[in-house]
Amino acid sequence: GAVVSQHPSRVICKSGTSVKIECRSLDFQATTMFWYRQFPKQSLMLMATSNEGSKATYEQGVEKDKFLINHASLTLSTLTVTSAHPEDSSFYICSARGLAGGRWETQYFGPGTRLLVL
Amino acid sequence: DQQVKQNSPSLSVQEGRISILNCDYTNSMFDYFLWYKKYPAEGPTFLISISSIKDKNEDGRFTVFLNKSAKHLSLHIVPSQPGDSAVYFCAASDGSGNTGKLIFGQGTTLQVKP
Repeated sequence: GAVVSQHPSRVICKSGTSVKIECRSLDFQATTMFWYRQFPKQSLMLMATSNEGSKATYEQGVEKDKFLINHASLTLSTLTVTSAHPEDSSFYICSARGLAGGRWETQYFGPGTRLLVL
Repeated sequence: DQQVKQNSPSLSVQEGRISILNCDYTNSMFDYFLWYKKYPAEGPTFLISISSIKDKNEDGRFTVFLNKSAKHLSLHIVPSQPGDSAVYFCAASDGSGNTGKLIFGQGTTLQVKP
């Protein structure tokens, strides 16, 4: 149980284009989803928290107009990197929390999406 | 301000021996702690967790110890296996209402040598 998928696993795009990443909870309802990014050899940096049906809460320093988050259902959240630039190249990971059993604080992570902006 | 710290960036252990990964935190409001394991280019996998009302939780080869007075937790893996080689992150729940945000340490890379 508690499987989270991400799509695509890897994407290469040109500077200035927008990229959408999907995060799905496959076997449980995710009341909350989180988006992280990870730079090489660094820890996970929380970008935003999204609750189903409401606006995402962004961490300080994260541009909400740059990173659009939609959490339209209990099993799907999307992150759109708008007008991507090379400095947005990173590993983006989503996690989901909800009715997966265990403590409610436990987050289950997707496999991540490697974004490379040329 | 790093609220969760893993001061050892790497650890090397012989197969069959015990691996001990350490984590310190500063926020006394943290009430739930988790350990995740991460392979390169993959998302973290939940390993084990512990509530602040306990001082030990065991699951197979993995045991987590919590010392609240010292604000310290550790993950013991015994016996260690080559497949355990990965980056291990400790995380703490910030306890601020319903946000459920996790604060992660920097990670410790464990290498288990055959």
